[in-house]
Amino acid sequence: GNSVTQMEGPVTLSEEAFLTINCTYTATGYPSLFWYVQYPGEGLQLLLKATKADDKGSNKGFEATYRKETTSFHLEKGSVQVSDSAVYFCALRDTGFQKLVFGTGTRLLVSP
Amino acid sequence: NAGVTQTPKFRILKIGQSMTLQCAQDMNHNYMYWYRQDPGMGLKLIYYSVGAGITDKGEVPNGYNVSRSTTEDFPLRLELAAPSQTSVYFCASSSPTSGGGDTQYFGPGTRLTVL
Repeated sequence: GNSVTQMEGPVTLSEEAFLTINCTYTATGYPSLFWYVQYPGEGLQLLLKATKADDKGSNKGFEATYRKETTSFHLEKGSVQVSDSAVYFCALRDTGFQKLVFGTGTRLLVSP
Repeated sequence: NAGVTQTPKFRILKIGQSMTLQCAQDMNHNYMYWYRQDPGMGLKLIYYSVGAGITDKGEVPNGYNVSRSTTEDFPLRLELAAPSQTSVYFCASSSPTSGGGDTQYFGPGTRLTVL
């Protein structure tokens, strides 16, 4: 079946550090891939997405590249800020399915 | 646009009680979803709907019911509350796009505790 595996958190960084959150997936078809972010006390919101192999999604300084050969969609940011502290969810939507499959989430804590 | 709204924000139920979690969206989205989020876990899909009058089960439908009489509203019903239903519930909506890349828009959530 379809599944998403994310690195466990929390990830603790100092402001301006480089961020990588790993995400790998298993899918039967050709999925679209997403990163959602959840700030404290709020619902999830889309951060970025990619719908086919080699696409790069980007938003707010975050980037992720759809790597079909390694079935990965790792999230990166060159310089994190305190305001980036949140839980990040990797998700996929397989071809022909209506449903998103989520990873377990990775909590990011950024200190000044 | 208000986006996706959910009520109530918080609720405490006793075992065996029933309640309805309300969800509404004003974006004219055909697709709507209910998820639950347990501590340290990802989101699990409870039910979803692809249009008014059409609903289908997700991964964890037991103990819940839904209806979709209008495009805007998608209430979730708990008939006999159990402690295992203590969770945060999120409603979401989306509009289908070719290739499956549609964005789901989430409500702020309802935190439910069953004692």
